[in-house]
Amino acid sequence: EVQLVESGGGLVKPGGSLRLSCAGTGFTFSTYSMNWVRQAPGKGLEWVSSISSTGKNIYYADSVKGRFTISRDNAKNSVLLQMNSLTGEDTAVYYCARGRRAGGPYYFDSWGQGTLVTVSS
Amino acid sequence: TVMTQSPETLSVSPGERATLSCRASQSVSSNLAWYQQRPGQAPSLLIYGASTRATGIAARFSGSGSGTEFTLTISSLQSEDFAVYYCQQYDNWPHTFGQGTTLDIK
Repeated sequence: EVQLVESGGGLVKPGGSLRLSCAGTGFTFSTYSMNWVRQAPGKGLEWVSSISSTGKNIYYADSVKGRFTISRDNAKNSVLLQMNSLTGEDTAVYYCARGRRAGGPYYFDSWGQGTLVTVSS
Repeated sequence: TVMTQSPETLSVSPGERATLSCRASQSVSSNLAWYQQRPGQAPSLLIYGASTRATGIAARFSGSGSGTEFTLTISSLQSEDFAVYYCQQYDNWPHTFGQGTTLDIK
């Protein structure tokens, strides 16, 4: 069974940093793209970032470019999202999602349960 | 690519048919997915390639369309189908989602 488990969310002050982690089990992690999608409270879904299976290709939404960094460790079956210079607009549940479609862009066939990031003073 | 879903809310009785629409601001070919999100849960994939059901998805869910106009149809609504539905294009970067359609019980 495919499982994605996010961790690292919490309360952070504006301007602060946070690192999210997602662990994948039940599938060959190194052969799939991995992605982060967020959902602000009461709002819809917003794609944040993608990383290809090898880590060679990385993409960001304009809203986070220059502030967020995605990376992966295929030996540990994990994907990370380093978030810097956080603002209230980054407050959201962050979902880790497995991507499908060779070369991207991707659709997302498995999702984690999400981790809540709250940016507030 | 801007994705626009309609209606924002759809009220339907159990056992009836629901038709949800999604429009793209430019052609996305058949690179369109539908997701279901129940309250308090993560989204889950229903349809990809505009019309292919994901693994384990009931046959009452069907998708159609290509280019800029897409439809998700749920025949004979069950209680567990009342949720929010999102479309997403994956034809070009950045991925974009529609704003969602809430399907609620009439």
